[in-house]
Amino acid sequence: SAVISQKPSRDICQRGTSLTIQCQVDSQVTMMFWYRQQPGQSLTLIATANQGSEATYESGFVIDKFPISRPNLTFSTLTVSNMSPEDSSIYLCSVEELAGGSLFSGEQYFGPGTRLTVT
Amino acid sequence: RKEVEQDPGPFNVPEGATVAFNCTYSNSASQSFFWYRQDCRKEPKLLMSVYSSGNEDGRFTAQLNRASQYISLLIRDSKLSDSATYLCAVNRRLTGGGNKLTFGTGTQLKVEL
Repeated sequence: SAVISQKPSRDICQRGTSLTIQCQVDSQVTMMFWYRQQPGQSLTLIATANQGSEATYESGFVIDKFPISRPNLTFSTLTVSNMSPEDSSIYLCSVEELAGGSLFSGEQYFGPGTRLTVT
Repeated sequence: RKEVEQDPGPFNVPEGATVAFNCTYSNSASQSFFWYRQDCRKEPKLLMSVYSSGNEDGRFTAQLNRASQYISLLIRDSKLSDSATYLCAVNRRLTGGGNKLTFGTGTQLKVEL
């Protein structure tokens, strides 16, 4: 499976500031996603990062708060804007690889995550 | 009702025991199913995929019951290293293209000596 890296691995930020998280994949992937995992909770999909077009956001997440870029098939960024302590979470990117031909398997592989603490 | 539900546990079992987790899902349009393992402060790692009735990989067996809308994960001969949180995930193809993966809250397993 693809090797996925994220930067930074962790950060402590002040409220009102913004943080951009990078996700780099070692091979071209069609589907990239951003998730949030709050303390003691499961993963929640924030958005699908679409290459060359605007991201597709899930209910409860908006572009102004979580702008996403996807300039090519190996890289994406997620910005957490105007942060508040409620944004303290682990942010993970994931990729979905083809099962064979053009059929997407649904299998997703995750990066190591970015642990964000907002004070 | 949550889209994907799991018993949070913890399940405390002795080494060598057999343990099973269930996961129920509410959307009958769900097409594929996964079990992920997540260690403390790590990212989830794909453990097993289930596309039809079931899948077996060594000590791990996953089964799907579409009629009752649940999947299960059976771990035989538990090892200390199996201690982790096991996340169930359910995939649904979207009408506009792409997939959506929805996760349960996870079941915590502790294997003890």
